[in-house]
Amino acid sequence: EVQLVESGGGLVQPGGSLRLSCAASGFTFSSYEMNWVRQAPGKGLEWISYISSSGSPIYYADSVKGRFTISRDNANNSLFLQMDSLTVDDTAVYYCAGRPGAGYGLDVWGQGTTVTVSS
Amino acid sequence: ENVMTQSPATLSVSPGERATLSCRASQSVITNLAWYQQKPGQAPRLLIYGASTRATGIPARFSGSGSGTEFTLTISSLQSEDSAVYYCQQYNNWPPFTFGGGTRVEIK
Repeated sequence: EVQLVESGGGLVQPGGSLRLSCAASGFTFSSYEMNWVRQAPGKGLEWISYISSSGSPIYYADSVKGRFTISRDNANNSLFLQMDSLTVDDTAVYYCAGRPGAGYGLDVWGQGTTVTVSS
Repeated sequence: ENVMTQSPATLSVSPGERATLSCRASQSVITNLAWYQQKPGQAPRLLIYGASTRATGIPARFSGSGSGTEFTLTISSLQSEDSAVYYCQQYNNWPPFTFGGGTRVEIK
């Protein structure tokens, strides 16, 4: 079964940090381009970061650039998002999502992990 | 940034009727456009990519069309389980990948 499972979400104070993880199974993770997409409460989808199948290049949305760091470990089928200097505007459900390559949509999604930034 | 605009915001359709959802891009995306379905409390699910190719396991009642800046998702005969929010996303002019604001489909 094709699966992505996120973990690491929780409650954090403004200015704090969290590290999200995404464990992949059931498909060739090392061939997939991976992304993090978030959804604030009651809002739409916002793409925030991309990493190629090999680990480079990497891209970020302006809203998180300089604060968030995406990485992957193909040997262990895992994707990560290090989130620093968190603000209340980062409160959202965070999804990892992947696609097999250019020309494709995001065909694999995790169930999401909730990040709440509040004092 | 390529801004994606979806209309209408909410669509109310009777079971068995056709639902037509629109997505407009501020710059041409050729056919590098995807549609997703999201039900409450669930992750999005890919329906269509390449503007018109159904993803694996997607029923034939879902179809996509368009190119350039104007796109349509059609649900030919609405079923009760199709009640959801639908998002379009472009992946031609990136980063960033950009999503539309979504269309909520309600069953009348």
